[in-house]
Amino acid sequence: GENVEQHPSTLSVQEGDSAVIKCTYSDSASNYFPWYKQELGKRPQLIIDIRSNVGEKKDQRIAVTLNKTAKHFSLHITETQPEDSAVYFCAARAGSGNTGKLIFGQGTTLQVKP
Amino acid sequence: EAGVAQSPRYKIIEKRQSVAFWCNPISGHATLYWYQQILGQGPKLLIQFQNNGVVDDSQLPKDRFSAERLKGVDSTLKIQPAKLEDSAVYLCASSLVLGGGTGELFFGEGSRLTVL
Repeated sequence: GENVEQHPSTLSVQEGDSAVIKCTYSDSASNYFPWYKQELGKRPQLIIDIRSNVGEKKDQRIAVTLNKTAKHFSLHITETQPEDSAVYFCAARAGSGNTGKLIFGQGTTLQVKP
Repeated sequence: EAGVAQSPRYKIIEKRQSVAFWCNPISGHATLYWYQQILGQGPKLLIQFQNNGVVDDSQLPKDRFSAERLKGVDSTLKIQPAKLEDSAVYLCASSLVLGGGTGELFFGEGSRLTVL
């Protein structure tokens, strides 16, 4: 069935360093890939998303890259700050249409040390 | 703009008891989702509604879980009888369009269930 694998499960970086989180998906028809940030005890919030017709998207310190051939996509955070500390989830939409459910990865706990 | 509202925020019950969670999506959002998030895991879709119709309930344990969205607005998720493995956060989300493809999924704060 549809599956999304996310690595690493935990990531610790020094403030100012970069952080990279990688995800692979199984459904070659998937066409939409959002990333969510979830702070402790809070709701998941969308931080960036990318569609299958685009290879890269950037929003200030956050960027996402997509390799459809290899079926993997990555989140890049540059110049990390302590407030970036949270759990990050990648997701892929099942199927090729606009109706598929979002399949989430297991999550990456990012800790940014001051 | 008001966000997705959920209640209760916390619930502790004994196994074999029943529980119900309520969700009110953002006004005008046609699509509503219930996700289960077990500690340390990513959210897993239980059921997806478009207005008051079910789009996907393939991962809903129908022998114990039920959900409805009467009138296409708010929704309730019920578990009866509860098992220990149902301990999780139940997240409700809504979006303007089906599948969230051209719109963001907005999540509620979640309802944390502990089954003893």
